[in-house]
This record gives sequence, structure tokens and C-alpha cells, in this order.
Amino acid sequence: GQSLEQPSEVTAVEGAIVQINCTYQTSGFYGLSWYQQHDGGAPTFLSYNALDGLEETGRFSSFLSRSDSYGYLLLQELQMKDSASYFCAVRAREDSSYKLIFGSGTRLLVRP
Amino acid sequence: ETGVTQTPRHLVMGMTNKKSLKCEQHLGHNAMYWYKQSAKKPLELMFVYSLEERVENNSVPSRFSPECPNSSHLFLHLHTLQPEDSALYLCASSQDGREETQYFGPGTRLLVL
Repeated sequence: GQSLEQPSEVTAVEGAIVQINCTYQTSGFYGLSWYQQHDGGAPTFLSYNALDGLEETGRFSSFLSRSDSYGYLLLQELQMKDSASYFCAVRAREDSSYKLIFGSGTRLLVRP
Repeated sequence: ETGVTQTPRHLVMGMTNKKSLKCEQHLGHNAMYWYKQSAKKPLELMFVYSLEERVENNSVPSRFSPECPNSSHLFLHLHTLQPEDSALYLCASSQDGREETQYFGPGTRLLVL
């Protein structure tokens, strides 16, 4: 079967750095995406890693290790507006089509 | 309008009602998706349309019926729903072959009484 594991909640202080881990067990793995969702809002795409290594986009970075079936999202210089849920999602192939399989999400609370 | 829009934003319906959810994307994408989001559960993929053909149907009960008349519009027809179907229903779109980058609408919050 397909499964993704990520912590349910993380708390951090404004200005700090936080890392949200994601481990996965899937067949037909093609890459790992990260999405952000504020309460009452739509999920928004943050990043995608198809290859091993670190991808940086401003304050956010995402890392993938295919051999370890592991990835993480790194948020630097935390701001209050970063309080949201963060979902990892595996791009996998089942039968003849590709799909995104989402984790349950990590709720990040940024405190002053 | 830009991005992905969904109507209605909120819907309350009885178990014997019939209603439809509408999604429209203004991004020029050719793949569209329906997801169900329940509290503390992963987003559940319900249906995928690519180039207006259904390519995925994740064992969704027949009381949910999708329709994709063209690449910009997607509907979810609802009938004889159950209380456990109460959830946030999200529509998303992407370019075909770029499933990792999906653009979501704001969702329809559905309550089934």
C-alpha cells in the first residue's frame, strides 16, 4: 500500500527555523511535493523534488533522499503568517496514471 | 477571474437532496481533480480528468458522479448522500503530466444532515 508519515503538530518561535519531516512508503515513486494550507484556505503548492538534494525557494527549502524514502521542508526566519498546515505528497504511478498521494499534514504554530 | 474557482462555497443538504458542485479553472490546464478533505485525514483523491477523459476513479461511491464537459469546467453531482460525506470538497487543476504542481480552488464546505 501507499503511506506517508509526518508529525501532526509542530510549534516554533517567530524568527526561528523549523523542519517538517516526511517519510513515505509507496510504489512507483516519482517525486515529493509540499503544499501549504491556511485555515479555511486552499492548499497552495510550495515545492517539488524529483531528485535527491536540496531545493531552495526563498525562506523555504525542501530536501529529498530517495534511498531513505525521506524528505523534509525547512522553513527559515519564521513569520506569524507561516502558521498553517503543511502537507507532503508523493507523485506516484498506479496502473497507467500518475497521481498525488497526500500525507495527513503537519500543523505549524508560530508563536511570537 | 483568475485561478481556480468553486461554487457554492458552503452547502447544506438533506440525505434525499440532489445538488451539484461546480469548479472552473482559468489557467489553461488540461487536467482536473476532485478531492475530499475531512478533519485530521489526508486529502483523498476522488476523480481525475485528463484531456476531458476520466482517468481515475478511486472506488468512490456512486452517489458521487463527476462530469467534465470541457477542460475548464468540472462538476460533482451529489445525490442521496450520507452524513459521513460531510467534508470540504476541493477541486484542483494542473497541466497533464505535471501532477506534482496542482492549483486548488477554495473548496465547498458540505454538510449533510
